[in-house]
Amino acid sequence: AQSVTQPDARVTVSEGASLQLRCKYSYSGTPYLFWYVQYPRQGLQLLLKYYSGDPVVQGVNGFEAEFIKSNSSFHLRKASVHWSDSAVYFCAVSANYGNEKITFGAGTKLTIKP
Amino acid sequence: GGIITQTPKFLIGQEGQKLTLKCQQNFNHDTMYWYRQDSGKGLRLIYYSITENDLQKGDLSEGYDASREKKSSFSLTVTSAQKNEMAVFLCASSIKGTEVFFGKGTRLTVV
Repeated sequence: AQSVTQPDARVTVSEGASLQLRCKYSYSGTPYLFWYVQYPRQGLQLLLKYYSGDPVVQGVNGFEAEFIKSNSSFHLRKASVHWSDSAVYFCAVSANYGNEKITFGAGTKLTIKP
Repeated sequence: GGIITQTPKFLIGQEGQKLTLKCQQNFNHDTMYWYRQDSGKGLRLIYYSITENDLQKGDLSEGYDASREKKSSFSLTVTSAQKNEMAVFLCASSIKGTEVFFGKGTRLTVV
C-alpha cells in the first residue's frame, strides 16, 4: 500500500524568507511524485512532478522539490516566498507502472506574513 | 487543453437520502477518480476507474457507489447521506497515474 505523510499541517513564513514543506511517502517501488497547490476558493493545480532522472525538479513560480530515495522524501522548497504563495499544498504519490492509484497527503496550509 | 465538469456545484441533501454526483471530462483520459476533501484531512480516494466499466475501490469507498458507463463520464453515489455531513467531492482524470487534472468540486451539505 502507498501513503503520504505531510507532518506539518500549518506553516507560517515571513515574506521574502525561504520555505521548505515536508513530504514523506511510503511505497515499495519507484514512485511518481507530485506537489499540487490549492489557492483559496480555487481548484487544485499541479506545481511540479517527478517521474525519473534528475532528482531535483523545477516547478512553476520558483518552486522546486528534491526526490531523496534513501529517505523516502520529496520536500518542496522555495528560495524567497511571496504573499501570493499563501495556499494549501498537497504532496501525492503514484506507482510508476500500470497501477494508477494516486494517493494524496493531508496537506500543509502555508501562510505568508507581511 | 481539456476540462473536467462536475455537476452540481452545490448539493444539499437530507439525512438518509441517496445522492448522485456527476463528472464529465474531455481530455480523453482513461483513468478517472473521485476524492473527498475534508478540512485537515486532505484528499481521500473514494473510487477510481482505469477504463470504461471498470471500478476500483479507494481508501474511503464504504458508503459510496460509482459508475463508469462511458470513458468520458464517472458518477458517484452517496448511498445514505449522513446528517451534518459537509465535504467537497473532487473528480479528476489522468493518463495512467501521471499528472492528475481536477474539476472544481461539488460541495455537499446534509441537513
